[in-house]
Amino acid sequence: DIVMTQTPSSQAVSAGEKVTMSCKSSQSLLYSENKKNYLAWYQQKPGQSPKLLISWASTRESGVPDRFIGSGSGTDFTLTISSVQAEDLAVYYCEQYYDTPWTFGGGTKLELK
Amino acid sequence: QVQLKESGPGLVQPSQTLSLTCTVSGFSLTSYHVSWVRQPPGKGLEWMGVIWTGGSTAYNSLLKSRLSISRDISKSQVFLKMNSLQTEDTATYYCASLRPGDYWGQGVMVTVSS
Repeated sequence: DIVMTQTPSSQAVSAGEKVTMSCKSSQSLLYSENKKNYLAWYQQKPGQSPKLLISWASTRESGVPDRFIGSGSGTDFTLTISSVQAEDLAVYYCEQYYDTPWTFGGGTKLELK
Repeated sequence: QVQLKESGPGLVQPSQTLSLTCTVSGFSLTSYHVSWVRQPPGKGLEWMGVIWTGGSTAYNSLLKSRLSISRDISKSQVFLKMNSLQTEDTATYYCASLRPGDYWGQGVMVTVSS
């Protein structure tokens, strides 16, 4: 199974700050045939179902603010929030869908400083 | 409008079998696959398994021996059955239609306790 490791597990931030979080996979998520990385980022707020922010490592879903930026390839990926807003306080999960069983990282929790 | 809704018992006794139903609307189970994802209280997400549009399934390696996912296309329902429940299986269970799209049910909380 592909293991997904997210760091840090939690991060205290101030509004307006730039935030980066990491996700590493135990094997490459880059499919050579189509040059796509099978990596998604989800946001989950308390009491809510997860919400897809980014798929294919860097493609923002419709309606997702452009302050959310996904990057990386192969085994190393990053989610950047260019200027954190109060509504961004949540837990962020990466997920690989390169191969079943699909697997999630342990999450990064953004908290208010 | 795509919707998914989980239903099932809120309380299950240890060693018993959990049976959950996911009722979908707005799409056909022959066109979109459905996954089950669970989340223990205060912990992260765990992908449990998927039933593909053709009816085949794939499971989490750690749950494979206890888990079964099936469906009734005519009723637009997907079923999860997991046996030999333990307290560690206490979680919110979600069904979801992922890729294409991102549709989740509201989740159903299941507590394993005597």
